[in-house]
Amino acid sequence: DADVTQTPRNRITKTGKRIMLECSQTKGHDRMYWYRQDPGLGLRLIYYSFDVKDINKGEISDGYSVSRQAQAKFSLSLESAIPNQTALYFCATSDGELRGYNEQFFGPGTRLTVL
Amino acid sequence: DAKTTQPNSMESNEEEPVHLPCNHSTISGTDYIHWYRQLPSQGPEYVIHGLTSNVNNRMASLAIAEDRKSSTLILHRATLRDAAVYYCILRLDNYGQNFVFGPGTRLSVLP
Repeated sequence: DADVTQTPRNRITKTGKRIMLECSQTKGHDRMYWYRQDPGLGLRLIYYSFDVKDINKGEISDGYSVSRQAQAKFSLSLESAIPNQTALYFCATSDGELRGYNEQFFGPGTRLTVL
Repeated sequence: DAKTTQPNSMESNEEEPVHLPCNHSTISGTDYIHWYRQLPSQGPEYVIHGLTSNVNNRMASLAIAEDRKSSTLILHRATLRDAAVYYCILRLDNYGQNFVFGPGTRLSVLP
């Protein structure tokens, strides 16, 4: 089974709808991240969380919110989806307790289309 | 964070070495150099990282210029599976890993 899973993998929705993307991990990591990828722009950080009680805005948090329900779960919400939020969304995790390098592990991505 | 510059795309023949350059002229003394790659239809994956000395692992080698203003990711024998977008990222230390991924270099491997 994959260590970082994302649901759904694909979603088509309409403008104005509320959408939730979910991320779960079995790696036991305390740090979790949400990124957005647009063609030709690489990945941009939306939100990140270093533990259950910690939530931080990333580079492009406007229009998004997150919830860290447990150490293993980190959800991304679009309260009122708009077409320019059409993108590929990735969740990632890393282990903040390691003294060495804290590699980020990415999920398979969720492709979201807002019509 | 300091900015990195990479070529948009590169091509290589299978089983030949590949040198992927990255310029980071504004790097600070404490910035680590990270490389990730993204295979088609997958999330990014870690390749290698370093600070000052050249680094080797099972996937690749990282050659860092003496002035640290540039680095090169070396794939010793490219395979078709190495076709991916390669990202060079600078990040202060290992903490607060809110990476900023630029467009990266799209590597094509020809059979």
